[in-house]
Amino acid sequence: GEDVEQSLFLSVREGDSSVINCTYTDSSSTYLYWYKQEPGAGLQLLTYIFSNMDMKQDQRLTVLLNKKDKHLSLRIADTQTGDSAIYFCAEPSYGQNFVFGPGTRLSVLP
Amino acid sequence: SAVISQKPSRDICQRGTSLTIQCQVDSQVTMMFWYRQQPGQSLTLIATANQGSEATYESGFVIDKFPISRPNLTFSTLTVSNMSPEDSSIYLCSVGEDRGLPYGYTFGSGTRLTVV
Repeated sequence: GEDVEQSLFLSVREGDSSVINCTYTDSSSTYLYWYKQEPGAGLQLLTYIFSNMDMKQDQRLTVLLNKKDKHLSLRIADTQTGDSAIYFCAEPSYGQNFVFGPGTRLSVLP
Repeated sequence: SAVISQKPSRDICQRGTSLTIQCQVDSQVTMMFWYRQQPGQSLTLIATANQGSEATYESGFVIDKFPISRPNLTFSTLTVSNMSPEDSSIYLCSVGEDRGLPYGYTFGSGTRLTVV
């Protein structure tokens, strides 16, 4: 079955860039997703990328996809304290549900 | 995108009791899902709530433990039955809109359950 892996923790200083990495196994995934979970909240869809794209930029967010290596990354420019959250990489699974990675807990230090 | 109201937001329950979690959506949606997020872990799909028929459960989850109702296209409930401390988790409702992929799915804010 599908498997999604992420590093579990990342700490950055406010104003620096954050890069969160993800590897996945299902090469047939049409789209790949990043979700954000703030403390005590549900998941919020942050962005997605179509599998035939290498890069997608959306304001401070840049998603890079290396389909050959099955590697996805999320870069947050000028990281702010409000970006502190858990970030989940996800790929669609059968029945149109999702397989989620374990989540990367981003801590932004002042 | 759809707006989900999930209730209760949190509860502390005695072992052996049951809790029913409600998920109300502000528009009709085709797909509704229930996920569990155990402490410090990722999300695991419990089941797909099907309107007008029995829910489809994932491996490791059974109807007797997690009965689900879906009486219409805007509402679903998940019951956690005969609870034990191992059921302490966040339970999340998710909906997939008819637009389907690539828009991703919307999640409720979750129900944080603690079983004592």
